[in-house]
Amino acid sequence: QQQVKQSPQSLIVQKGGISIINCAYENTAFDYFPWYQQFPGKGPALLIAIRPDVSEKKEGRFTISFNKSAKQFSLHIMDSQPGDSATYFCAASGATNKLIFGTGTLLAVQP
Amino acid sequence: DTGVSQDPRHKITKRGQNVTFRCDPISEHNRLYWYRQTLGQGPEFLTYFQNEAQLEKSRLLSDRFSAERPKGSFSTLEIQRTEQGDSAMYLCASSLGQAKGPRRNYGYTFGSGTRLTVV
Repeated sequence: QQQVKQSPQSLIVQKGGISIINCAYENTAFDYFPWYQQFPGKGPALLIAIRPDVSEKKEGRFTISFNKSAKQFSLHIMDSQPGDSATYFCAASGATNKLIFGTGTLLAVQP
Repeated sequence: DTGVSQDPRHKITKRGQNVTFRCDPISEHNRLYWYRQTLGQGPEFLTYFQNEAQLEKSRLLSDRFSAERPKGSFSTLEIQRTEQGDSAMYLCASSLGQAKGPRRNYGYTFGSGTRLTVV
């Protein structure tokens, strides 16, 4: 029940395209869903986050879509750029603010 | 203070030796977390502090691991009698946190990690 399942494991997108990464969770007590971006040799950096009282949140080219009934959420990167090439992690937390991370998606944006 | 600092960035040690890592969180953050990340995996929770109190420890954290956060400021993570399986990136993060309420969860700020290699 503590797992967060993430797909795909890797993704190749052309510059200007849309990157979509999906996550699913089991624990209905989770109430905070962030996405992190990680470059090699660096710690994860918070990208965008959503709470279950809204179904969508947009910040610049990044959008989270949240489906509470399906227990799924996804990250959409619009107009993907080579600089977006990184590993992306979804995560979820509940009462303790202990983040449970997905297994990551390695995104490569080709010029 | 612009972020979470971790020291050292890299540590190579022989099996059986003890190692200690330090984390300096963002000063106004009351919560501090330790995570471990192996290659190709997401970070795994180890332990967290609210101020100086250690509130939760993962079952991943064997009795060879100990963490402290004296006075609710910096934190140290010590691994005794290191094993090759301890080789990983050890990440520290900090956040604001409320005990309860609709805004009790906030995003973490991670440090750049300490890469441990046990040979």
